[in-house]
Order: sequence, then C-alpha cells, then structure tokens
Amino acid sequence: DTGVSQDPRHKITKRGQNVTFRCDPISEHNRLYWYRQTLGQGPEFLTYFQNEAQLEKSRLLSDRFSAERPKGSFSTLEIQRTEQGDSAMYLCASSPSRRAYNEQFFGPGTRLTVL
Amino acid sequence: AQTVTQSQPEMSVQEAETVTLSCTYDTSESDYYLFWYKQPPSRQMILVIRQEAYKQQNATENRFSVNFQKAAKSFSLKISDSQLGDAAMYFCAYRDNNDMRFGAGTRLTVKP
Repeated sequence: DTGVSQDPRHKITKRGQNVTFRCDPISEHNRLYWYRQTLGQGPEFLTYFQNEAQLEKSRLLSDRFSAERPKGSFSTLEIQRTEQGDSAMYLCASSPSRRAYNEQFFGPGTRLTVL
Repeated sequence: AQTVTQSQPEMSVQEAETVTLSCTYDTSESDYYLFWYKQPPSRQMILVIRQEAYKQQNATENRFSVNFQKAAKSFSLKISDSQLGDAAMYFCAYRDNNDMRFGAGTRLTVKP
C-alpha cells in the first residue's frame, strides 16, 4: 500500500510526558501537513513542510510542539510536557506539489489520550 | 482569517434519495479552491469533489455535485441516489496559497 501511514495509531500517556508521532507520506509527495482534530470538529491546521523546510506554523502550535521532516521524507511531531487538552486525533496529509489545487491525501491518524 | 461554516451538524437521507449538505465560507481572496472530504467511521479522510473558484461551472463526480455560488460564498454538496456507503462525516474545506481550513463537519446518516 502506498498511502500515507502514521505510527502509532493510538497513544495513551500521562500528563507531563513527551510523545512523538511519525508520518510517512506518499513517496515523491513534497508537501506534508499536520492537523489536529478534536471530537466533533474538523481538522485544524498545525504546520506544513515543503520538502524538508517547515514553511508555516499555526498559532495552535505552542512551544511544546515541534515538527521535523529530515531529508524531506517522513515527518515527526513531538509534544513535550503533554496536557489533557492535547488529547485529540493528529492527522498527517501529503500532496504532490505546492499548488493549492492539489488534493491532500490523509493518513489514518494517531489518537492521543492524555490522562 | 478565512472561516468555513457548516450549519448542519447532522443530516439524514433515505437510501436512493437525494441530500444536500450546506457550506459557506468567508474570504477576501480571489484565487482559492474548495473541497468536500468524506471521513467514514474509523477510516481515513478522502476527497469527494473539488472546485476551483475561477471556474463558473459546477464540479460533478458521478453521484456527487456541487452548487458553487461565488458571490454568496456558498458551496453545497448534493449527493444523488444515496447509498449506505455514503454514511460518514463530510467536511467542507477552503484552501488558498496561504491557508487551509475545514468546517466542523456534517454527519450524514443513510437509512435503508
């Protein structure tokens, strides 16, 4: 399967712990996006990469959040000192070019529960 | 900032009937794109249909079509001949070169 994959699918952690999620985009897709989705809401944009460069970050992305995309392939999203409000589904998407027209292909998401 | 509003949290349709999901948006941009995404329960979000703002003709994909009213900033999705597999959350999305926003979604139930 050559779709977007995310790991882990589920993560339960205690408040104050650090967590890291991984996203593998569709190969040769040079744009990669991270979103957060809470129950009953649509995805909220967090950040995106054009190849290895992080081009935009939402104000939702506090200093406890950091994302990387070394070598322009897979990406990681780390949350430090997790809080209960961080509980959400974290979605990754990729698209083949910088054109706004292009469809974003979504992964299955990582569901984070902070106890 | 651009906003996307879906005023129908839930909708229901009888199998084989037609249903229309509403979406309005706010933007000051002239060049943008609009999308409808479907998110089945516990499954990945997939694109249903998209519309370029500069095109006057409404997009159509098989049983799915849109009614794009640029002046009114309205972008509704019509599903014809509804099928059980159409049951899902539907999200309207707006995108320009600087922004990507989703509505809160409409949960569609299809009754057999």
